Amino acid sequence: DVKVTQSSRYLVKRTGEKVFLECVQDMDHENMFWYRQDPGLGLRLIYFSYDVKMKEKGDIPEGYSVSREKKERFSLILESASTNQTSMYLCASSPSQGARYTGELFFGEGSRLTVL
Amino acid sequence: AQSVTQLGSHVSVSEGALVLLRCNYSSSVPPYLFWYVQYPNQGLQLLLKYTTGATLVKGINGFEAEFKKSETSFHLTKPSAHMSDAAEYFCAVTHSGGYQKVTFGIGTKLQVIP
Repeated sequence: DVKVTQSSRYLVKRTGEKVFLECVQDMDHENMFWYRQDPGLGLRLIYFSYDVKMKEKGDIPEGYSVSREKKERFSLILESASTNQTSMYLCASSPSQGARYTGELFFGEGSRLTVL
Repeated sequence: AQSVTQLGSHVSVSEGALVLLRCNYSSSVPPYLFWYVQYPNQGLQLLLKYTTGATLVKGINGFEAEFKKSETSFHLTKPSAHMSDAAEYFCAVTHSGGYQKVTFGIGTKLQVIP
């Protein structure tokens, strides 16, 4: 069964702490994404990566950075967490253009972050 | 540029009634369209998708959607609601070029009343 795994389902952090959210996929997908989900705002793209060590800003990159050192792993980093970053974070992956591409995203179960 | 509009952030239906969730999109190139479902405290899973070909697409759990280019719509329907259909539903759009950026609607929470 194909899988996207997010390391932490629930986290509670304090303002100013550095936060790492990890995501691993086992489908050999080229593309990986980090979304933020908030009530009434839907899913908003923070960053995405289409290859190892490559990254592109999404719609709301401010306050976040990412790292992709291996194809299967994509990390979201909050350098100094703030209360307005309390949210649900969703990781997703997809294959690149080619026979496998359908546009479908494969999601992890989410990481709910609370910043106090 | 692409965008998605979901009409109605909350929809309530009686068990056994028709489910209709509305989605309109904007895209400058031929779109790929999706409906995803999210159950509480879980990630999103694909219900159905339209890429090319037949405009009426069937998905899991008895859902279907019709791509109407002239109306720029991709509404989701199910003839008879079941209690287990209570969830949040997201419409999304992308296309076949570029880095496959996917744009989501704000979501529609479906409540099923016994």
